[in-house]
Amino acid sequence: EVQLVESGGGLVQPGGSLRLSCAASGFTFRSYWMHWVRQAPGRGLVWVARMNEDGSITTYADSVKGRFTISRDNAKDTLYLHMNSLRGEDTAVYYCVSDLGGIKGSWGQGALVTVSS
Amino acid sequence: DIVMTQSPLSLTVTPGEPASISCRSSQSLLHRNGKIFFDWHLQKPGQSPQLLIYLGSNRASGVPDRFSGSVSGTDFTLKISRVEAEDVGVYYCMQALQTPYTFGQGTKLEIK
Repeated sequence: EVQLVESGGGLVQPGGSLRLSCAASGFTFRSYWMHWVRQAPGRGLVWVARMNEDGSITTYADSVKGRFTISRDNAKDTLYLHMNSLRGEDTAVYYCVSDLGGIKGSWGQGALVTVSS
Repeated sequence: DIVMTQSPLSLTVTPGEPASISCRSSQSLLHRNGKIFFDWHLQKPGQSPQLLIYLGSNRASGVPDRFSGSVSGTDFTLKISRVEAEDVGVYYCMQALQTPYTFGQGTKLEIK
């Protein structure tokens, strides 16, 4: 069974930084594209970033480009999202998602990031 | 960006009755490899989303066969043949043809 467990969320001041982690198990992590999707309180789903199997290709939403960095460690079956220059509008639950758009699409339980002074 | 438009935005259904949710994409989601990069996801109350339908019409593992997805050009339909209480939540359509991946606004299904 696919399991994705996010960690690292919390309260951060505007302009601050945070790193989210996503520990994967139950599937061959190194064989799948991985994604981050976020959901602001009471709002819908918004795709944030993706990375290919070996980490050589990354793509970002315009709203986070230049501020967020997605990375992965296939030896540790872990996905990361490094978030810098955080803004109030980045406040959301961040979901780690495997193989979004494919047969193995699975979502983690989410990590809440709150940007506030 | 590809715009995904869902309708209706809310739906109240009597248990045992059918339900249907529509989604329209602003452009074709057909890849040159012949696959249609379109999903349906369900977010039950207080939970993270879960995959229901992938590549337009394929049920994800463990999804009951009362759920079905169909495609006609840029129009997509999710049908529930007989709604059960556990089907409540917000249903999202999503395109994965090109980045940024985009979601519909969501359709909230409630039980009468």
